[in-house]
Amino acid sequence: AQSVTQLDSHVSVSEGTPVLLRCNYSSSYSPSLFWYVQHPNKGLQLLLKYTSAATLVKGINGFEAEFKKSETSFHLTKPSAHMSDAAEYFCVVSDPNFNKFYFGSGTKLNVKP
Amino acid sequence: GAVVSQHPSRVICKSGTSVKIECRSLDFQATTMFWYRQFPKQSLMLMATSNEGSKATYEQGVEKDKFLINHASLTLSTLTVTSAHPEDSSFYICSARETTGFLNQPQHFGDGTRLSIL
Repeated sequence: AQSVTQLDSHVSVSEGTPVLLRCNYSSSYSPSLFWYVQHPNKGLQLLLKYTSAATLVKGINGFEAEFKKSETSFHLTKPSAHMSDAAEYFCVVSDPNFNKFYFGSGTKLNVKP
Repeated sequence: GAVVSQHPSRVICKSGTSVKIECRSLDFQATTMFWYRQFPKQSLMLMATSNEGSKATYEQGVEKDKFLINHASLTLSTLTVTSAHPEDSSFYICSARETTGFLNQPQHFGDGTRLSIL
């Protein structure tokens, strides 16, 4: 069975400081993992994906995530937060054939000036 | 990049009417599209998987006769909420996966439809 746990429902950082959004997964298979961002009243935009290649994945807008099998984690990081990063972030695990996505509960990122 | 267009972005209508939402993949073909529902401050809940040329696969607890899905072409899937009632008010989001020979293609999401039933 596949599942995702996002450990923090809300994260608040100051502009210019690092961002860490935590995600742990459970998967019966070698997982494919994604991070998506959702701005208010909008759909989801793909930030990055892990599909059994390099464990450190670089995405758009300066975000990156590291796949750690031993910890079953796929945390999202960014060295320096920008005001425009304020949004909801979803960690997603999919089955091997991508027939279904399993979403985490989401983490709302607030960026203070 | 792959773009998914969802229309309309917002619908307000009276109880008892039927509402159709369109999901189009603009620059790629999608054998499979997905329909999600999102309640306020919650994550996305998969409603159904739409397959081109065949019947949709609904998740447990989703009424097939209430939420009609048609995937008539490789670039268009529609969701019709029949005889909508206030409890159907929600944010509906579609996604599409590229039909390619490569594995590991992500889903691309539309901008969602805010449905409000009065």
